[in-house]
Amino acid sequence: GDSVTQMEGPVTLSEEAFLTINCTYTATGYPSLFWYVQYPGEGLQLLLKATKADDKGSNKGFEATYRKETTSFHLEKGSVQVSDSAVYFCALSLYNFNKFYFGSGTKLNVKP
Amino acid sequence: DAGVTQSPTHLIKTRGQQVTLRCSPKSGHDTVSWYQQALGQGPQFIFQYYEEEERQRGNFPDRFSGHQFPNYSSELNVNALLLGDSALYLCASSPDRSYEQYFGPGTRLTVT
Repeated sequence: GDSVTQMEGPVTLSEEAFLTINCTYTATGYPSLFWYVQYPGEGLQLLLKATKADDKGSNKGFEATYRKETTSFHLEKGSVQVSDSAVYFCALSLYNFNKFYFGSGTKLNVKP
Repeated sequence: DAGVTQSPTHLIKTRGQQVTLRCSPKSGHDTVSWYQQALGQGPQFIFQYYEEEERQRGNFPDRFSGHQFPNYSSELNVNALLLGDSALYLCASSPDRSYEQYFGPGTRLTVT
């Protein structure tokens, strides 16, 4: 069935370190892919998206490229800040955004 | 703009009881999706409502039902509550067939 698998956390990094959070997916058809973020005490919010193969989504210094050949959508940031500490969820959508599947989330802790 | 609002914030119920959760979408949004988020897990898609009808459904039993009203607000009903139904229930709204979901803060349901 359709699903998203992302690396388990927590991930602990020092400020200015490089971040990669792995995400792979299984889907029938051609999904759109997303990263959502949940900051402490706040609700889920969309971080970035890619709607077709080879698209690169980017926002707030984060990037992810839709790789159809490896069914992956890894999240990267070149230099993390303490304020990036949050839980990150990879997600896919099918059927014209009528159905969404989320990964289990990866908690990121950034230390000064 | 109030964004997506949900009520109540917290709820405690006993096994076998029934519960109704409510959601008001963001202004201008006509599509509402419901998710169940167990502790430490990602959101799981329950169903999506558009034009007062259930358009897509996730892998949830018939005990989970919903309704959408002409003003686009929505209710989630869960019958015959089980301990395993304890979770954070999230509502998300979007314009029709848009990837851009806005999430509410959620209702924390505890079943004892």
